[in-house]
Amino acid sequence: QKEVEQNSGPLSVPEGAIASLNCTYSDRGSQSFFWYRQYSGKSPELIMSIYSNGDKEDGRFTAQLNKASQYVSLLIRDSQPSDSATYLCAVMNTGNQFYFGTGTSLTVIP
Amino acid sequence: GAVVSQHPSRVICKSGTSVKIECRSLDFQATTMFWYRQFPKKSLMLMATSNEGSKATYEQGVEKDKFLINHASLTLSTLTVTSAHPEDSSFYICSAGVHYEQYFGPGTRLTVT
Repeated sequence: QKEVEQNSGPLSVPEGAIASLNCTYSDRGSQSFFWYRQYSGKSPELIMSIYSNGDKEDGRFTAQLNKASQYVSLLIRDSQPSDSATYLCAVMNTGNQFYFGTGTSLTVIP
Repeated sequence: GAVVSQHPSRVICKSGTSVKIECRSLDFQATTMFWYRQFPKKSLMLMATSNEGSKATYEQGVEKDKFLINHASLTLSTLTVTSAHPEDSSFYICSAGVHYEQYFGPGTRLTVT
């Protein structure tokens, strides 16, 4: 079983819609969770971190964490074409090891 | 804050030569830095963890004699690709941690001809 799993997509949403990206992880004791955005040909950029159960909002982005279900998600409201990128979920496990998912490709259609 | 730089951003070299890539944390000290490689349309692959003042820890399958890592100071780690071959052509990215968060450098695109 992989440490972090994501649906590779591609996920397509129309401009203005909500994009929902999902991630599951295997180490139940993990405490730190991150979402990165990677544009084609560029390096990943940290957009959200979340450490507690529940929702964390930052502008159009909301990260949701459910430790009981070992599930973390990212919602992007009012999606824009500029949000088209690959979104990487990352988890720091109980051994302080950092694991990335394979990423979900998002396309926002104008 | 938490800015990580890499140099060079692009490099083309001939097969058999060595290439050095620098990773610097500009506004913080990093006892640990990470080196990743990414092939086109593929996910990030962790190559090694670079520890200041000690030997790097390499992931399984990564040749430590081919990918030399030096972390001589709290703000600089270097990756040297020795005797590069065309199959080493890839996007190399470093990252450094601040508390629990990792910040990535802009990456170095290596092309071996």
